Amino acid sequence: ETGVTQTPRHLVMGMTNKKSLKCEQHLGHNAMYWYKQSAKKPLELMFVYNFKEQTENNSVPSRFSPECPNSSHLFLHLHTLQPEDSALYLCASSLYRVGETQYFGPGTRLLVL
Amino acid sequence: GDSVTQMEGPVTLSEEAFLTINCTYTATGYPSLFWYVQYPGEGLQLLLKATKADDKGSNKGFEATYRKETTSFHLEKGSVQVSDSAVYFCALSVADSGYALNFGKGTSLLVTP
Repeated sequence: ETGVTQTPRHLVMGMTNKKSLKCEQHLGHNAMYWYKQSAKKPLELMFVYNFKEQTENNSVPSRFSPECPNSSHLFLHLHTLQPEDSALYLCASSLYRVGETQYFGPGTRLLVL
Repeated sequence: GDSVTQMEGPVTLSEEAFLTINCTYTATGYPSLFWYVQYPGEGLQLLLKATKADDKGSNKGFEATYRKETTSFHLEKGSVQVSDSAVYFCALSVADSGYALNFGKGTSLLVTP
């Protein structure tokens, strides 16, 4: 399997649930990203990991918790979300953090009830 | 701050029509400029990019020229196809901002037979 994969593709959860989104890249990249895509809004960068170290957190609420155990895997742990967190969550990777083209996964469509 | 402005659409064209999607940017440094495309139900794919003034990026019949004097990176295609129906995102990255991708809101394109 090649490229960037994300699971699950669709997720429905209640506000009291805990769930995790998974991203895996098979490109040998060293930087990974989480983005949030909401209707009528630009893509929002949430987190950046470079060589497994978190280098950016764009004021994301603590109910979103990222984890990067190695350069190929990235998780986004979700707990006590709000309905306004419903969106498409996109994972991306690039060879290095600096100025490289980012390759995106298909996204996880999240609905919070 | 750094930002990208693009026409929001939706843009509806007949097959074989000429396409222009406008994109202008504001940046404090010397940005790299990108066009990404998102087909229905998929993640973003890099369409083309340009890293310095007067560079022309091209791919799949699409072109965009980095115009520093007008701070623009308009996307063009001479003859669109139904399969080009997608959302197109203009983006920039600048060293001063840690090379994070800064996206426009996206332009929806619908090509009819």
